[in-house]
Order: sequence, then structure tokens, then C-alpha cells
Amino acid sequence: AQSVTQLDSQVPVFEEAPVELRCNYSSSVSVYLFWYVQYPNQGLQLLLKYLSGSTLVKGINGFEAEFNKSQTSFHLRKPSVHISDTAEYFCAVSDLVGNYQLIWGAGTKLIIKP
Amino acid sequence: EAQVTQNPRYLITVTGKKLTVTCSQNMNHEYMSWYRQDPGLGLRQIYYSMNVEVTDKGDVPEGYKVSRKEKRNFPLILESPSPNQTSLYFCASSVGQGPYEQYFGPGTRLTVT
Repeated sequence: AQSVTQLDSQVPVFEEAPVELRCNYSSSVSVYLFWYVQYPNQGLQLLLKYLSGSTLVKGINGFEAEFNKSQTSFHLRKPSVHISDTAEYFCAVSDLVGNYQLIWGAGTKLIIKP
Repeated sequence: EAQVTQNPRYLITVTGKKLTVTCSQNMNHEYMSWYRQDPGLGLRQIYYSMNVEVTDKGDVPEGYKVSRKEKRNFPLILESPSPNQTSLYFCASSVGQGPYEQYFGPGTRLTVT
């Protein structure tokens, strides 16, 4: 069965510093990979996704993620964070076939320190 | 504006009192889904629907019902709520079943006492 592990429940970082949010998954088959962001008191919205092709995926708001098949990871990065990036970030995977159900990680809260 | 709406946004109720959380989308999406979000557990799918009159169970369907009589609406029904259903609920929609972007509603925070 698939599972998703977000290794950090909270990541504090100073404004304008770089950040990496880690995501590892386990699956016996190839997968699609997603990062969603949840701003305070809002629903989730898609940041970026990996379906195929280049392993470096660029998303909205300056975020990018790199798919590493050998390490089964899909870490999210941003070179310089802003206070507006304060949010909870969720990694999710789905099968390439079947019902494409998303399996979600537990989330990582990004805390920006001024 | 393309959006998914949910009502109510906040609800406090008592054990056993039937309630319905409504969900509506204006994007003509075929696929709709309900999730619950609990601290440390991420999102777990309750039910999903691939089209009108087509629904199926997700990972945590016990204690919930859904219906899809119209394409735009996908209400979540708790016929006899219990305290372990206290959670944050999200409705989502996408163009179809597949690796498509899901559009989320703003969430409904339910407390069952």
C-alpha cells in the first residue's frame, strides 16, 4: 500500500532564507506526485505536480520540487521565503492507474520568522 | 469566479442530531470528493463521486452518507453524528478522475458534543 511521510511537522525559517520541506513516499508502482498549500482558514490549492518528464517541477509562488525515484522523495524548495508563505504544506501521491486516489502526508507547517 | 462553496463553515451540534453539509461547484466538474482533516493525519477521503448518481467509498466512510443528484452538488450527510466525527471537512472537485488539480472548498469545522 502507498504511504506518504512528511518528515517535519513544523519548519521555522527566517524571512528571505531558503527552505526545503521533505516528502518521502512508499509505493511498489510508479506514482504521480503533488504538493498542495493550505493558507490559514482556507482550503487547499495546488502548488505543483509531477506526472512525467523532467524531474524538476516548478510551481506557483516561486516553489519548485524535485522527484528522486531512487530515494522515493519529492522535496519542496524555495530559495527565499516571505511572510506570505506562512501556511501548511501537504504532499500527496496517486497511482498511475486505478481510481487515482490521493494519499496524503500529515502536512508540514511553515513558520516564517521576521 | 470558479469556486467550490461549502455551508455551513462552522457547526456545533450534539450527538445523534442529523446534519447535512452542502457542497456546490460552478466549474461543471465531473469528479467530487469529501475529505476530513485531522491534526497529524493529513486528509483522508470519505466518499467520492465520478458523476451524477455514481458514488463510492473512500478510506473512512463509516458514519457518513452522500448523494449526487445534480452535477454541481455533493452534500455530506451525518445521520447520527458522534464525537469522533469532530473534524475539519473539505469538499473538492476536479474535471475528472485522474491526476488533475483538485479545487477545494473553504472547509467546514464540525464539533459534535
